[in-house]
Parts: sequence; C-alpha cells; structure tokens
Amino acid sequence: AQSVTQPDIHITVSEGASLELRCNYSYGATPYLFWYVQSPGQGLQLLLKYFSGDTLVQGIKGFEAEFKRSQSSFNLRKPSVHWSDAAEYFCAVGAGSNTGKLIFGQGTTLQVKP
Amino acid sequence: GAVVSQHPSWVICKSGTSVKIECRSLDFQATTMFWYRQFPKQSLMLMATSNEGSKATYEQGVEKDKFLINHASLTLSTLTVTSAHPEDSSFYICSAFSGRRSYEQYFGPGTRLTVT
Repeated sequence: AQSVTQPDIHITVSEGASLELRCNYSYGATPYLFWYVQSPGQGLQLLLKYFSGDTLVQGIKGFEAEFKRSQSSFNLRKPSVHWSDAAEYFCAVGAGSNTGKLIFGQGTTLQVKP
Repeated sequence: GAVVSQHPSWVICKSGTSVKIECRSLDFQATTMFWYRQFPKQSLMLMATSNEGSKATYEQGVEKDKFLINHASLTLSTLTVTSAHPEDSSFYICSAFSGRRSYEQYFGPGTRLTVT
C-alpha cells in the first residue's frame, strides 16, 4: 500500500538559513508527489508537484524539491528561510489511478527563529 | 489557480444538532470532491470521496450515517454532521478535483466545527 513518511515532526531554523524537509514515500510505480503548506487555521496551498520529467522541480515562494527514485524521497528545500515560512508542511503522494486521491504524510511543523 | 470556498468558516453548535458544511468550486467543474478531517497538530484524514451524481465512498472507520455527503452538482458538495457530539469537533477541509490533471486538487480554507 502507498504511504508517505515525514521523519521530522518539528524543525526550527533561523531566518536566512537554508531548509530541507524530508519526505519518503512507498509506491510501486512512478509516483505523483506533492508538497503543501498550511498556515494556522487555513486550508492547504500547493507549493509544488512532480509528475514526470526533470527530477528537480521549482515551486512557489522560492521552494524546490528533488525526486530521487533510488531513495524513494522527495525532499523540500529552500535556500533562505523567511519568518513568513513558519507553517505546517505536508508531503503527499497520489494513491493510484486517476482518482485524485492523495495520501498525506504526518506533516512537519516549521518554526523560524528571528 | 482554481478557487474552492467553504461555508461556514467556523460554526458552533449544540450537542445533538446537525450542521451542514458547503464546499464550492468557484471557477471550475469538480468531478470529484474530497472531505478531510484534521485534528490539532495532525495530518489530514480522508473521510470520503464524493463524485457528482453518485453516492459518496467512505473511508474505513467513517460513519456514513453520521457524516452525510451530497454532491449534487459539479460545483457543490455538502457535508452534514448529524447529531453532532463534542468528539466531532474538528477542522473539516474539502478539496475539489477536476479530473483533467492527475491528482491536482484544490483545497478549501476549512471549517472549524465546535460542538458544545
């Protein structure tokens, strides 16, 4: 069965520092992978997605992610974090066929120190 | 990007009453809408998948008689929490899927339900 693991429940970084949020997935075929961000009390906003092609994908707000099939990973990165990036981040994988169904990881809370 | 709205954004109700939450896709037709529940500091738990004109498909462990879902049109799905109890208090989020681009869902802003 498909699954997504975000090993880090909580991460704290200083403003201006680089960021990497980890995501590992379990899926038999080529996965559709997503990163979403959720601010407190809000819905989810899509940061970026990977369907096929170039394994390094660029997203909004200066985020990027790299798909590594050999490691079953899709880690999210940002070279310089801003205080406004503090939020909850969710990695998700498409659950198979064209149903639109997603499986979410547990989420990583990002705290940014001034 | 596509816009999905939810109404109300928050609601307080008394135990034993029913509450209806609406999810609308404002600028596209959604063949499928998904309903999620999210507890504080936790991930999204898929409750059910709603396809226009057909019965919703509920995930294991979700009471279909308690969480009634109707997807009457390609732009509107509703979730009714019947005979609500305090343990139903949660953040409910919907998402809409057009079916045109695989897995590209658009999420609503969520509804905070508090049952007293």
